[in-house]
Amino acid sequence: DQQVKQNSPSLSVQEGRISILNCDYTNSMFDYFLWYKKYPAEGPTFLISISSIKDKNEDGRFTVFLNKSAKHLSLHIVPSQPGDSAVYFCAASGSADKLIFGTGTRLQVFP
Amino acid sequence: KAGVTQTPRYLIKTRGQQVTLSCSPISGHRSVSWYQQTPGQGLQFLFEYFSETQRNKGNFPGRFSGRQFSNSRSEMNVSTLELGDSALYLCASSERATNEKLFFGSGTQLSVL
Repeated sequence: DQQVKQNSPSLSVQEGRISILNCDYTNSMFDYFLWYKKYPAEGPTFLISISSIKDKNEDGRFTVFLNKSAKHLSLHIVPSQPGDSAVYFCAASGSADKLIFGTGTRLQVFP
Repeated sequence: KAGVTQTPRYLIKTRGQQVTLSCSPISGHRSVSWYQQTPGQGLQFLFEYFSETQRNKGNFPGRFSGRQFSNSRSEMNVSTLELGDSALYLCASSERATNEKLFFGSGTQLSVL
């Protein structure tokens, strides 16, 4: 049972435009959400997180939105840059529990 | 601080063999988690150790096992390797065990022939 779902395996965006990556979850006990970025042959690196008490968190070009009623979160990257091309994973956890990851979305930013 | 270190980076084994992967967490981190990454499956949780105790376990067969030492270093072992075990195995560490971000190593790419 996939508790964290990223339904878009890939996304292609022009440089300078907005990239929107989506993630859905099924477990209402999740209260902490994160986004990771992964380049080939490297481990995932932390990008941004959000607690369930918030609905938005911003860090530079990256903003994460959380809609608890819809069990949906999204990552916005503005403006997108070629160096943002990578695989993005969303992850979620509940108290005292492990991080559950989605299957990832491959983002390609083209000039 | 040095990051999470995993050894070896690459490994080639044949079916039926066993393998041991090693992970050194960031200094001061007491929690170590292991994940398996395969194409299309994302990161699948294997197990998590905190202060030498396994605190969480994923849905993997008993062929997959792990342990953590008193210095927080961790090893995972896979016995009787199968072709489907070919994957990138990632280790991650954190200061505590719950609700905080994980720091990942570069992984061990295991190929089973």
